[in-house]
Amino acid sequence: AQKITQTQPGMFVQEKEAVTLDCTYDTSDPSYGLFWYKQPSSGEMIFLIYQGSYDQQNATEGRYSLNFQKARKSANLVISASQLGDSAMYFCAMRRGRQAGTALIFGKGTTLSVSS
Amino acid sequence: ETGVTQSPTHLIKTRGQQVTLRCSSQSGHNTVSWYQQALGQGPQFIFQYYREEENGRGNFPPRFSGLQFPNYSSELNVNALELDDSALYLCASSSPTQGEAKNIQYFGAGTRLSVL
Repeated sequence: AQKITQTQPGMFVQEKEAVTLDCTYDTSDPSYGLFWYKQPSSGEMIFLIYQGSYDQQNATEGRYSLNFQKARKSANLVISASQLGDSAMYFCAMRRGRQAGTALIFGKGTTLSVSS
Repeated sequence: ETGVTQSPTHLIKTRGQQVTLRCSSQSGHNTVSWYQQALGQGPQFIFQYYREEENGRGNFPPRFSGLQFPNYSSELNVNALELDDSALYLCASSSPTQGEAKNIQYFGAGTRLSVL
């Protein structure tokens, strides 16, 4: 069965510091996609970054990068130079296969708190 | 702003009643997915619609039903409401034209349903 595990219920970081949010996944499919979403208290899930299972390089999007270690089945999100606006819930998710529109499986999330 | 809009934003119902939630997808997106997010949990996949046909369903009972319209907007209907149906209901739209491997789902801000 496919599963996403996020073991850090909460993380605390000072402004301008880097932080790593952990995510491990379990799947037997050779082709899959991994996603990170940010959910502020308003509720909207905001897409941050994507990594495909066949991608050779780690994905980067601005201050976000994904540390993809396929053999360990981990896809950790690294946020560099944290900002107060980064305080939110962060979800790791996995999509199975290459078919269009396949469902996302989410972890339980990690709450990130950034202080000044 | 993802261009995905959901209505209403909040709703209070009593046990046994029926509810309809609405979602307008991002322009050009023909796939809509619905998720239920209980407090403190990650979203759980309910079902997905692709070109007006149900295209996958999660582990939810038949009293959860949906529709997709020719303009790709969608409704989620829940009959015989139970207390455990209290949650944030998220709608996400996507399109295969993004590229079959990536297919990012863009979420609305959700409808918060309270069942008393």
